[in-house]
Amino acid sequence: NAGVTQTPKFRILKIGQSMTLQCTQDMNHNYMYWYRQDPGMGLKLIYYSVGAGITDKGEVPNGYNVSRSTTEDFPLRLELAAPSQTSVYFCASRKGLAGSADTQYFGPGTRLTVL
Amino acid sequence: AQTVTQSQPEMSVQEAETVTLSCTYDTSESDYYLFWYKQPPSRQMILVIRQEAYKQQNATENRFSVNFQKAAKSFSLKISDSQLGDAAMYFCAYRSGNTGKLIFGQGTTLQVKP
Repeated sequence: NAGVTQTPKFRILKIGQSMTLQCTQDMNHNYMYWYRQDPGMGLKLIYYSVGAGITDKGEVPNGYNVSRSTTEDFPLRLELAAPSQTSVYFCASRKGLAGSADTQYFGPGTRLTVL
Repeated sequence: AQTVTQSQPEMSVQEAETVTLSCTYDTSESDYYLFWYKQPPSRQMILVIRQEAYKQQNATENRFSVNFQKAAKSFSLKISDSQLGDAAMYFCAYRSGNTGKLIFGQGTTLQVKP
């Protein structure tokens, strides 16, 4: 059981380049989330999904796009990378049991630098 | 929109002593959940404790307990018998029972002195 996996672990982009951060979970979780964490700061929600085909914006969605074509995968797309997108990106998932404070599982993170 | 505020950027505690980390939140929802997460230097996010808003009893997990004051919208974390391994960044988090959205506070860095 791999849990939540993210690829790549590290990436350096040039300004204006695009890339996709991959996130996969093998726990049949309904909810998936993308966060960014700037140095010394908390996690900011970028996008989240309550199930395949359904996505919604979080606190800081500008400059990012997501899709959820399967239950397992929730890729995050960066178009026209900017230095302000330098951050550590975390993917997370949870089952989504109604009326339950079910555990949210986090991936190991992707450290992205835009130069 | 919901917000989570941690007003203590840094805290320190002597080993074996007790420390309390503060968290306040703002919401108009009645259905929500609150969490404390620990993030060591490895960046791994570790769930410490959780609280359902509909439960009046404060959650406890071994040396960790919370003081949940629903009317005041306060959710503090108490760490008893602090250990060196407790040193980390601690995040308070709010999850909406309606949308499932989970948002975090700014974090508190806890230093444990031997």
